[in-house]
Amino acid sequence: QVQLQESGPGLVKPSETLSLTCLVSGDSISSYYWTWIRQPPGKGLEYVGDIFYTGSTNYNPSLKSRVSISVDMSKDHFSLNLSSVTAADTAVYYCARVNRGAFDFWGPGALVTVSS
Amino acid sequence: QSVLTQPPSVSGAPGQRVTISCTGSNSNIGAAYDVNWYQQVPGAAPKILIYGSTDRSSGVPDRFSGSKSGTSASLAITGLQAEDEGDYYCQSYDSSLSGYVFGTGTKVTVL
Repeated sequence: QVQLQESGPGLVKPSETLSLTCLVSGDSISSYYWTWIRQPPGKGLEYVGDIFYTGSTNYNPSLKSRVSISVDMSKDHFSLNLSSVTAADTAVYYCARVNRGAFDFWGPGALVTVSS
Repeated sequence: QSVLTQPPSVSGAPGQRVTISCTGSNSNIGAAYDVNWYQQVPGAAPKILIYGSTDRSSGVPDRFSGSKSGTSASLAITGLQAEDEGDYYCQSYDSSLSGYVFGTGTKVTVL
C-alpha cells in the first residue's frame, strides 16, 4: 500500500520560503508523477505543481514564479519550496501520487501558517 | 480560481438520489480529458471515488457513479447514507493552463 507523509515547519514568516517534504513508501518514486495540492482553511483544493522522477516539473501558472518542486530518489522523497509567502499561502498542503491524471493516494496533509 | 464549476451544496434524505454537476469548458472536460471525483470529510485528506470519468476506485460502493458529456460531468449518489456527508470535488486537466484543475466543491448534506 502506498503511503505518503508530509513534513516541515508549521509556521513561516511573511516574505520567507515555505519548505515541505513528502516521504513516499510502499512504491517506487520512479514509477509515477507526484504532486503538491493545497487547501486554504475553509476553501477548496488548488493544484500547486507536480514532478516526475527525471526532474521534469509542471507548475500552476498562478504560482509559477514562486514555486519549485524537486525529487530525491535516493531518499524516496520529493519537496516543495514556495518563496515570498504571504498570509494567502496559509493552507493545508497535501502531497499525492498522480496516476493517469488522477490523484489516487494522498498524504494526511500539513498545515502551514504564514504569520509573523 | 477554479475553472470547473460545481453547485455549492446539495442535500437529500437517506435513501434518495443526488447528483453533483461539474461544468467546464473546451480546454478541459470538453477536450476529452478525464474527470475524477473526490470525497473529503472534515479533517481528512480527499479520497478518490471516481477516476477516468466513470470508473469507481477500489472499495468505493456502487452507489457512486460518474458520467461525462460535452463540457460537463456528473457524480451521482444513489441510496444516500449518513456517511456520505462531506465535500465533493471534481478534477480534470486543462490544456490552456497546462495543469490540473479542481472544481469549486460541493457540500453534501444528508437530511
